[in-house]
Amino acid sequence: GAGVSQSPRYKVAKRGQDVALRCDPISGHVSLFWYQQALGQGPEFLTYFQNEAQLDKSGLPSDRFFAERPEGSVSTLKIQRTQQEDSAVYLCASSPTGSSNEQYFGPGTRLTVT
Amino acid sequence: AQSVTQLGSHVSVSEGALVLLRCNYSSSVPPYLFWYVQYPNQGLQLLLKYTTGATLVKGINGFEAEFKKSETSFHLTKPSAHMSDAAEYFCAVKESGGSYIPTFGRGTSLIVHP
Repeated sequence: GAGVSQSPRYKVAKRGQDVALRCDPISGHVSLFWYQQALGQGPEFLTYFQNEAQLDKSGLPSDRFFAERPEGSVSTLKIQRTQQEDSAVYLCASSPTGSSNEQYFGPGTRLTVT
Repeated sequence: AQSVTQLGSHVSVSEGALVLLRCNYSSSVPPYLFWYVQYPNQGLQLLLKYTTGATLVKGINGFEAEFKKSETSFHLTKPSAHMSDAAEYFCAVKESGGSYIPTFGRGTSLIVHP
């Protein structure tokens, strides 16, 4: 079956532009996580949804970052007024339960801010 | 608070040799522990996990890891390396008891020489 997909796979944005990153989780998966992975680092938690409810957004680095999952399926991570420090790979993962013990990761979106 | 330390950003082995990737963790409550593998331009894939029960955990592709509470370690091993094992490996820890936010290590790049 289809895994987690993310689009676009690569995004180049000029500093100050807004970007929207999409995640299509595995169908029926309850939980959805967003992570930021800087070059040479492990993924860092950004935010967590259970169905359409955003239960935790403590990892979002600033109020320029916003995530939504309005129908409990597809999720969008939006970054407003991008800065160079936002350059990273943004990973989405979904899980069939409310736990993160078995996460399925997408391939990521590589964002480069110039 | 939880944290993960992966010793060695790069590990180089010959094909057929033992693979040992080190992971030490810190957790204020009993931990859940995970190893993920990431191939180039792909998302993370779960190799194995320890939650409760047997401390020696077997995963996919011939990998295994042993949870040693006294050493706060969860090292990943494989008896005989294959060329296809070359990838980035991430150790992660999550506090048991309902936490859903894992903390990842910085990753270890496994290089396999013919």
